[in-house]
Amino acid sequence: RKEVEQDPGPFNVPEGATVAFNCTYSNSASQSFFWYRQDCRKEPKLLMSVYSSGNEDGRFTAQLNRASQYISLLIRDSKLSDSATYLCVVNDPSGGYNKLIFGAGTRLAVHP
Amino acid sequence: DTAVSQTPKYLVTQMGNDKSIKCEQNLGHDTMYWYKQDSKKFLKIMFSYNNKELIINETVPNRFSPKSPDKAHLNLHINSLELGDSAVYFCASSHRGPSQETQYFGPGTRLLVL
Repeated sequence: RKEVEQDPGPFNVPEGATVAFNCTYSNSASQSFFWYRQDCRKEPKLLMSVYSSGNEDGRFTAQLNRASQYISLLIRDSKLSDSATYLCVVNDPSGGYNKLIFGAGTRLAVHP
Repeated sequence: DTAVSQTPKYLVTQMGNDKSIKCEQNLGHDTMYWYKQDSKKFLKIMFSYNNKELIINETVPNRFSPKSPDKAHLNLHINSLELGDSAVYFCASSHRGPSQETQYFGPGTRLLVL
């Protein structure tokens, strides 16, 4: 089983749509969770951290379900500029040092 | 002002050659990383240094040797390049531990081994 699993997509949605991505992780000891965004041929950039109680940043809402080891990202009112790959990221605290485990990403294409 | 920079941006070379990639960050961070993103887009950590000390060393062939001359620099030297080494290599940096602060990535070095 992959450490972080995501639906690769692509999700093709019209502008203004609401779209949700899901992610599952295998390590129950993980404590830190993030969504990163990666544009085509660019570096990953942090979109938002994910907190236990859920958190919102403008049109973006992240949720965490520790019992199910499941993370989600909701994007409301999609813009053309939201087109990118969204990477689900969790930490692996084993071995004494935290390291980040990246999912393969979910591709989003927003069309006019 | 570039926060994390890498050189070169593109690298095309023959199998068996030795090459180096350089990384510099001007964010004042004390932890730096090398990641490899392969053709399937998985981004996997290779190494991490904290204050010039190696703290994460994943199962990477010993043809790959990182070097951190100071906190702001982390270089990656690759000996005897193989076809499977073709990938995008990203450098990143953060404060303190990898999960406690945001990691900032460099623009990547696209390596193609022929």
